[in-house]
Amino acid sequence: DAKTTQPPSMDCAEGRAANLPCNHSTISGNEYVYWYRQIHSQGPQYIIHGLKNNETNEMASLIITEDRKSSTLILPHATLRDTAVYYCIVRVDNAGNMLTFGGGTRLMVKP
Amino acid sequence: NAGVTQTPKFQVLKTGQSMTLQCAQDMNHNSMYWYRQDPGMGLRLIYYSASEGTTDKGEVPNGYNVSRLNKREFSLRLESAAPSQTSVYFCASSETGEGEKLFFGSGTQLSVL
Repeated sequence: DAKTTQPPSMDCAEGRAANLPCNHSTISGNEYVYWYRQIHSQGPQYIIHGLKNNETNEMASLIITEDRKSSTLILPHATLRDTAVYYCIVRVDNAGNMLTFGGGTRLMVKP
Repeated sequence: NAGVTQTPKFQVLKTGQSMTLQCAQDMNHNSMYWYRQDPGMGLRLIYYSASEGTTDKGEVPNGYNVSRLNKREFSLRLESAAPSQTSVYFCASSETGEGEKLFFGSGTQLSVL
């Protein structure tokens, strides 16, 4: 799996968009970008994933650069409950069972 | 729909004691996993089961055993607990072939004294 680099922490004002970056410069053509988050000490929660095109769901949007070497997770209107650690993972889809979580970005949403 | 249920939520053991962490899922998923998370760290895979009747080692299997009792249940056993096994343990499940879209339980906080 390609290595990812994320800032260790970020702040965001409540109601504003939170933009979380991820660098994955060694990503290969068949690797997807996945995002998870972990709120406090709960189990991680799947957010979104994508290959080349930008993706949007009810939780977030994922913007992947044309060269696929980086991506941004966007929480359009951050709330206090979005305070969490966000993990960016690159992975071949349907590759099975060795999903690895790195250090992630600790997002603090402030009132 | 409960999702992934883990028991117990908290446990304190003395060094050398044994215990089994239980996990059950009601989503009819084929694949199940056990992770551990040490304070301030990411998750590390201990064991996984791609389907009923099969289990495989992950990154950090030493000191643990697992049993895939049936499709719903996947247990993790510590035969002789050590302080280095103090951690939060998460069970997860996924559809076959979608090992990247995991559904996690709420975790078991284990302290070994």
